[in-house]
Amino acid sequence: SQKIEQNSEALNIQEGKTATLTCNYTNYSPAYLQWYRQDPGRGPVFLLLIRENEKEKRKERLKVTFDTTLKQSLFHITASQPADSATYLCALVDTGFQKLVFGTGTRLLVSP
Amino acid sequence: ETGVTQSPTHLIKTRGQQVTLRCSSQSGHNTVSWYQQALGQGPQFIFQYYREEENGRGNFPPRFSGLQFPNYSSELNVNALELDDSALYLCASSLEGPSNTGELFFGEGSRLTVL
Repeated sequence: SQKIEQNSEALNIQEGKTATLTCNYTNYSPAYLQWYRQDPGRGPVFLLLIRENEKEKRKERLKVTFDTTLKQSLFHITASQPADSATYLCALVDTGFQKLVFGTGTRLLVSP
Repeated sequence: ETGVTQSPTHLIKTRGQQVTLRCSSQSGHNTVSWYQQALGQGPQFIFQYYREEENGRGNFPPRFSGLQFPNYSSELNVNALELDDSALYLCASSLEGPSNTGELFFGEGSRLTVL
């Protein structure tokens, strides 16, 4: 069956460290993958998109990698801040279904 | 601010009732998608509308239906509400063709509680 898996347990890190979140997928052939941030009770907000032929994408303190052989994307936040505390969702568009499908999200907590 | 507005923000219904949720897309966007997000889960795709036609549907029963209007605003209707329909309903707009290739702009959602 098709799955998009993210760590269900919260990730706790200290301010200033790098946070690394993982997204693994099975039985999908994504044309591209996106990452969103979601704060409690709010709608998701788009952060980054990476295409299947791109290995890495950066935006300010954010970096995303995409390994279609491992079927995995890693999302990094460098020099993390308490304001980065939120749930981070990965989502992909399958070449078959052509609609955005989301993982369950990983909650990140950055302590001062 | 994404420019996508949803109403109502919160509502409570009882089992068997019907509900209509509304969404106003970001200006110029011609595609709207609806997602259901249960507590602690990721958003689940319900359906998408492009130029007033349904353009893809997820694994939801027919009692979930929708409309998109000429001004690209949209409605989600749910009939015969069940307890499991309690969730945050998210509307997202985008400027795409039938194949969604870009980012989605989400509203803040409508929190539905079914008692």
